[in-house]
Amino acid sequence: GNSVTQMEGPVTLSEEAFLTINCTYTATGYPSLFWYVQYPGEGLQLLLKATKADDKGSNKGFEATYRKETTSFHLEKGSVQVSDSAVYFCALSPRRDNTDKLIFGTGTRLQVFP
Amino acid sequence: GAGVSQTPSNKVTEKGKYVELRCDPISGHTALYWYRQSLGQGPEFLIYFQGTGAADDSGLPNDRFFAVRPEGSVSTLKIQRTERGDSAVYLCASSPTRDNNPGELFFGEGSRLTVL
Repeated sequence: GNSVTQMEGPVTLSEEAFLTINCTYTATGYPSLFWYVQYPGEGLQLLLKATKADDKGSNKGFEATYRKETTSFHLEKGSVQVSDSAVYFCALSPRRDNTDKLIFGTGTRLQVFP
Repeated sequence: GAGVSQTPSNKVTEKGKYVELRCDPISGHTALYWYRQSLGQGPEFLIYFQGTGAADDSGLPNDRFFAVRPEGSVSTLKIQRTERGDSAVYLCASSPTRDNNPGELFFGEGSRLTVL
């Protein structure tokens, strides 16, 4: 079946540190991959996405590359800020053009201290 | 409003009671989704509407759960004979069309349900 596994948190970093949050997936076919973010007191929002192998999604300084050979979609940022503190969810959509079922990981809480 | 609106934001009920949770999607969004998020878990798909019809209800856990969207806009998730295990945050999301920007769902802040 389809599933997403992401590293457990919390991840605690100092401001300007490098961030990696690991995400691996299991899927049949060719899924689309996503990172969603949930800031305190807000709803989930799309951070970035990639729809095919070797695509790189990027937004707000965050990047993730769709790696089919390692079934991974790790989230990275070169220099985190306190305002990046949030919960990050990796997700997949089993079919590239179908949005009806996003399958989420368990979420990773990021805490950035000044 | 600009975003997806969910009411109530918090609901405490007793075991065995009936509960309704409402979702008001972004105006013009034809696709609407319900997810459930238990503590420490990611959101789990419940049901998807395209317009007024439930295109996929395979995530509903049992027949105590039902959802409607009679006019293709507001949706109501209905839970009968609530159980303690139903306690979770129920998330609603909408998107403009099924095929536009796949995977970009706009989520509400959720309705937190606590069953005592």
